[in-house]
Amino acid sequence: EAGVAQSPRYKIIEKRQSVAFWCNPISGHATLYWYQQILGQGPKLLIQFQNNGVVDDSQLPKDRFSAERLKGVDSTLKIQPAKLEDSAVYLCASSLVRGIGHYGYTFGSGTRLTVV
Amino acid sequence: QKEVEQNSGPLSVPEGAIASLNCTYSDRGSQSFFWYRQYSGKSPELIMFIYSNGDKEDGRFTAQLNKASQYVSLLIRDSQPSDSATYLCAVRDTGGFKTIFGAGTRLFVKA
Repeated sequence: EAGVAQSPRYKIIEKRQSVAFWCNPISGHATLYWYQQILGQGPKLLIQFQNNGVVDDSQLPKDRFSAERLKGVDSTLKIQPAKLEDSAVYLCASSLVRGIGHYGYTFGSGTRLTVV
Repeated sequence: QKEVEQNSGPLSVPEGAIASLNCTYSDRGSQSFFWYRQYSGKSPELIMFIYSNGDKEDGRFTAQLNKASQYVSLLIRDSQPSDSATYLCAVRDTGGFKTIFGAGTRLFVKA
């Protein structure tokens, strides 16, 4: 099966600029996640979608970050305006959940963002 | 604040030895536990998951759960240089909606 697709792979922007990341999950995976991974740390959940509804966005800095998942498939994560501390790898993941069973995530290749 | 703690390492083992990685978690009600491997510059890759009903073995990898002490371990037998990576422990919370990752343990397998 095709994996989780993400683009772009790398992005360098100046602070206060805006940037957007795109993700296409594995077909049939209803749950989609955006994670932020700062160098040397574990991934931190930003937002979780179930189909096209938001399940958890408690750690999303909503004053500058936004995300949407139209039609329950592709998703876009946007940062506007970017700050230096947003430099990180942004990982998209999808998962198959059946009932209470959760089978782990499949991650995309990530987008490495550098804010200068 | 629910937490997952891991020793950052690095853990260095000789080729052919057993590597033992551990993590502790704070949410006593957690029932799903995951180990991911992350090579430098790459995204995490799921290698094992276990539920609270028991341990699991898959090839050279064994995941073990100690619910009483709230820790999960990953054993890698016959370690190979290609096993050198960061290993992330992840725990699904009691409600079953959120997965929390540890910061990872770096493993070096010396040839």
